[in-house]
Amino acid sequence: QSALTQPASVSGSPGQSITISCTGTSSDVGFYNYVSWYQRHPGKAPKHMIYDVSNRPSGVSNRFSGSKSGNTASLTISGLQAEDEAEYYCSSHTSITNLVIFGGGTKLTVL
Amino acid sequence: QVQLQESGPGLVKPSETLSLTCAVSGYSISSGYYWGWIRQPPEKGLEWIGSIYHTGSTYYNPSLESRVTISVDTSKNQFSLKLSSVTAADTAVYYCARGETGTMVRGPDYWGQGTLVTVSS
Repeated sequence: QSALTQPASVSGSPGQSITISCTGTSSDVGFYNYVSWYQRHPGKAPKHMIYDVSNRPSGVSNRFSGSKSGNTASLTISGLQAEDEAEYYCSSHTSITNLVIFGGGTKLTVL
Repeated sequence: QVQLQESGPGLVKPSETLSLTCAVSGYSISSGYYWGWIRQPPEKGLEWIGSIYHTGSTYYNPSLESRVTISVDTSKNQFSLKLSSVTAADTAVYYCARGETGTMVRGPDYWGQGTLVTVSS
């Protein structure tokens, strides 16, 4: 069982938008603006897509956006493309242990 | 471009010590940032193991601290993980990563591709 809760899978058609949720508590997602999102293709290194809830590292497409409401953070991918098919993970700082914690991952399928 | 690459045995016997090395390219470890290890057991979530600064300061997950040692070799631009007294529960994909703080609370920014370590006799 992961510290942050993500849906196991989501899917969408090319061109559509999808949103992946990451639910925590008032001790982590709800308290800190230290939510990150990662994209992981099989056999590849995870790629940092979003940091501090809604900021994109240099080079990341603006089709990827992040937000937060209460104890739930969200990653939205607009204009879905085939290469977006991957696993996505969220992370957050938790005040309980003062460590980084992660979500269980969401498998995105582009239909 | 910062790149990290894990290396080490893919099979370790129970009660022995797991040893992995992470080679860093595209960035000098001595220039800063924290360098750490994260693992993901099969069908389970990611778990931060620990991190090190180039000065040798270390930060460990309390749940693993008694068995973990992370070291750095700035001359080779690499850092290493040792996990002692392993059991089947330590079977996981191990990632090395870079972060801004010792406990990587803002999330790592660069990761290696991961290496599977199986604990079995």
